Amino acid sequence: GQNIDQPTEMTATEGAIVQINCTYQTSGFNGLFWYQQHAGEAPTFLSYNVLDGLEEKGRFSSFLSRSKGYSYLLLKELQMKDSASYLCAVKDSNYQLIWGAGTKLIIKP
Amino acid sequence: GAVVSQHPSWVICKSGTSVKIECRSLDFQATTMFWYRQFPKQSLMLMATSNEGSKATYEQGVEKDKFLINHASLTLSTLTVTSAHPEDSSFYICSASVGAEGYNEQFFGPGTRLTVL
Repeated sequence: GQNIDQPTEMTATEGAIVQINCTYQTSGFNGLFWYQQHAGEAPTFLSYNVLDGLEEKGRFSSFLSRSKGYSYLLLKELQMKDSASYLCAVKDSNYQLIWGAGTKLIIKP
Repeated sequence: GAVVSQHPSWVICKSGTSVKIECRSLDFQATTMFWYRQFPKQSLMLMATSNEGSKATYEQGVEKDKFLINHASLTLSTLTVTSAHPEDSSFYICSASVGAEGYNEQFFGPGTRLTVL
């Protein structure tokens, strides 16, 4: 079966750095997405990785290792508005997007 | 950036009635539109995928006769929840994508919160 694993919840302090991990087992791989979703709102796109390595975009970075079936989202200089759920999703061999359950990130002052 | 709208943003209806939700891509033509459902504190659950002018592909366990999808144009898809029941109360989100298969980011609408009394 296909599976995406993420921690259910994480807590971090304002101004700090947090890393949210995602491991996947899918039938094929055609890219990995990270989305941010605030409570009661729709997801918004954060990043896309299809090749191994680190993609940096401002305070957010995303890393991919295809051989390990592993990705992480790194958030720097955390702000209170970063409190949200972070969804990892992988596109499989049929180009179908398989979603993780999401990681709820709580930022404390 | 690409904008997707949904209407209504929230709706309350009586059990047994039907509700239609519209999803529009405002500044681009969407190759494919997706309909998701999300229950509280749970992740997105894909209900169906639709391409303009063809029948929607429903995920396993989703009743196609209950959740009617019409993809009339490259900018509009509608989801009709027929004979709604309280267990259909959920957050319904549509998304749209454009481009080649290899990379096609999904742009999400703001969602529609459905409450069935």
